[in-house]
Amino acid sequence: GEDVEQSLFLSVREGDSSVINCTYTDSSSTYLYWYKQEPGAGLQLLTYIFSNMDMKQDQRLTVLLNKKDKHLSLRIADTQTGDSAIYFCAETRYSGGGADGLTFGKGTHLIIQP
Amino acid sequence: NAGVTQTPKFRVLKTGQSMTLLCAQDMNHEYMYWYRQDPGMGLRLIHYSVGEGTTAKGEVPDGYNVSRLKKQNFLLGLESAAPSQTSVYFCASRTRNYEQYFGPGTRLTVT
Repeated sequence: GEDVEQSLFLSVREGDSSVINCTYTDSSSTYLYWYKQEPGAGLQLLTYIFSNMDMKQDQRLTVLLNKKDKHLSLRIADTQTGDSAIYFCAETRYSGGGADGLTFGKGTHLIIQP
Repeated sequence: NAGVTQTPKFRVLKTGQSMTLLCAQDMNHEYMYWYRQDPGMGLRLIHYSVGEGTTAKGEVPDGYNVSRLKKQNFLLGLESAAPSQTSVYFCASRTRNYEQYFGPGTRLTVT
């Protein structure tokens, strides 16, 4: 099975909260990330969380980590049209060499309805 | 501070041709990475480097070579391009705090 799984689409109304979910399989995952990709652009690092944390908040973004269930979520408060993008969940693990790349999910398309 | 830059932005190759993609970062990061992104997929790691003069294979290294002669540059080479290498290529560099920053990407088409 895949290492990181996400739903492909999420549709929300402008002004509502968006919650994008992700599950991962590797219990040794150390850092978990959320990236945003707009059409034709690169990946923008939104936030990341270390595995010994349960929650991290940064302005409109809240990340929740349930390490027992290997579940990560990203909540975007007061969703705006500019939030329309693909959101990627990714994980990495500290291997001593410290060089491991990221393992990505396939991305969730966030669609904003007016 | 330009961050991570990639050259070129677009390229079309014929099967069997070779090319080099250049990634440059001005953040003095030790770690650099090359990924490819295919439609409907997340990014997959091709090769990475932990410092000047060192490189290592990632998840999908076949058909690619890399070099890190200078700390700020990480080159990705295709010796004999194949249609299966049509993709968008992203370079990234990483801080000591595990923050990984991406370049804008190179869109490569192999016909």
